Amino acid sequence: EPEVTQTPSHQVTQMGQEVILRCVPISNHLYFYWYRQILGQKVEFLVSFYNNEISEKSEIFDDQFSVERPDGSNFTLKIRSTKLEDSAMYFCASTRQARTFFGQGTRLTVV
Amino acid sequence: GNSVTQMEGPVTLSEEAFLTINCMYTATGYPSLFWYVQYPGEGLQLLLKATKADDKGSNKGFEATYRKETTSFHLEKGSVQVSDSAVYFCALSGLGSGNTGKLIFGQGTTLQVKP
Repeated sequence: EPEVTQTPSHQVTQMGQEVILRCVPISNHLYFYWYRQILGQKVEFLVSFYNNEISEKSEIFDDQFSVERPDGSNFTLKIRSTKLEDSAMYFCASTRQARTFFGQGTRLTVV
Repeated sequence: GNSVTQMEGPVTLSEEAFLTINCMYTATGYPSLFWYVQYPGEGLQLLLKATKADDKGSNKGFEATYRKETTSFHLEKGSVQVSDSAVYFCALSGLGSGNTGKLIFGQGTTLQVKP
């Protein structure tokens, strides 16, 4: 079965630093997403991306966050100046024909 | 607003026991409903789905019926196995015009099955 691939699996960063989380969605999918899950809490929607632009974003997705599809395969989430509360598991997902596939996640730890 | 509420976990069962994980939803429209499973160290995988009222989704012995009258989508399995130990997430999507396919998740329920 096709897979969504995320790298790295675990990232540790210092507060205030920029991080870029990387994802390779499934190649013929049209919608891409980022979700996050703070430890012990529910999975929360951050942003959806379609046709090279953001189609919807949540209140969590403030000016510190940005997404990009720099080439035909990668989809990145950038956090400009990380805060302690950004520590979470970040999931990338892609959708085609109403079926959503998730990556394994990147665990971000801000210290 | 739109939301999903799942029963609190963890749920601990013996092998071959009957499983029910409750899921209630609140939505202004007619959402699609999903159950996702997360095995240790892995991402979220779609377990089953239902797209309209009275539909029954099923997969790997798990079932859930879309109940519009009670706004519920409870997950059931007649006989659980140790390999079913995972975190189960109820979710909805497909609300409103300009639907982007985003999913709204419940808080997840941890299932532990003991031999």
